[in-house]
Amino acid sequence: NAGVTQTPKFRILKIGQSMTLQCAQDMNHNYMYWYRQDPGMGLKLIYYSVGAGITDKGEVPNGYNVSRSTTEDFPLRLELAAPSQTSVYFCAEGQDQETQYFGPGTRLLVL
Amino acid sequence: RKEVEQDPGPFNVPEGATVAFNCTYSNSASQSFFWYRQDCRKEPKLLMSVYSSGNEDGRFTAQLNRASQYISLLIRDSKLSDSATYLCVVNSPPGTYKYIFGTGTRLKVLA
Repeated sequence: NAGVTQTPKFRILKIGQSMTLQCAQDMNHNYMYWYRQDPGMGLKLIYYSVGAGITDKGEVPNGYNVSRSTTEDFPLRLELAAPSQTSVYFCAEGQDQETQYFGPGTRLLVL
Repeated sequence: RKEVEQDPGPFNVPEGATVAFNCTYSNSASQSFFWYRQDCRKEPKLLMSVYSSGNEDGRFTAQLNRASQYISLLIRDSKLSDSATYLCVVNSPPGTYKYIFGTGTRLKVLA
């Protein structure tokens, strides 16, 4: 199994554009998370999900949306990209609330 | 006061040395504590959970001090491959699936 996969690896967006960051896991685990990490900063939780059809806001949800229609996929949507959303985005999954396994990340640059 | 605070370092130590990091947390009701390791431009990886009685995994020992609200990580016999940033993670609010990451402590093990 591949664990957590994220696509794309890197993307440049213009201000106002939209995009979806993809995250998929093949472990059939319920818990999934989206974080962003700015340079020299800790990871900030954007959204999380405890199972298909259930999502909730984290610490920094503004400007983002998520959906969880299946156990495997947890896409993150940016509707109107802003320079402040330039960051590295990590998706994580876990079989319980104690452990998180991260994907390789998506580097996003908004110009 | 930040919810989770770490000394950013860097801690520069020679191979074979013992090094310890602390992490303080602000919410006395927090229940779950973890140490993650993050290599440069890579995703965080779970190093170990931190249990009330303290726990050890090979050269790594984690301790929890609830009275003073800090957790610690001790690395014995440091290897060059231990060079990384070590992230402290606490669940907040307590009992939730939300996790607060510290900004990390950078360790450089020197030959």
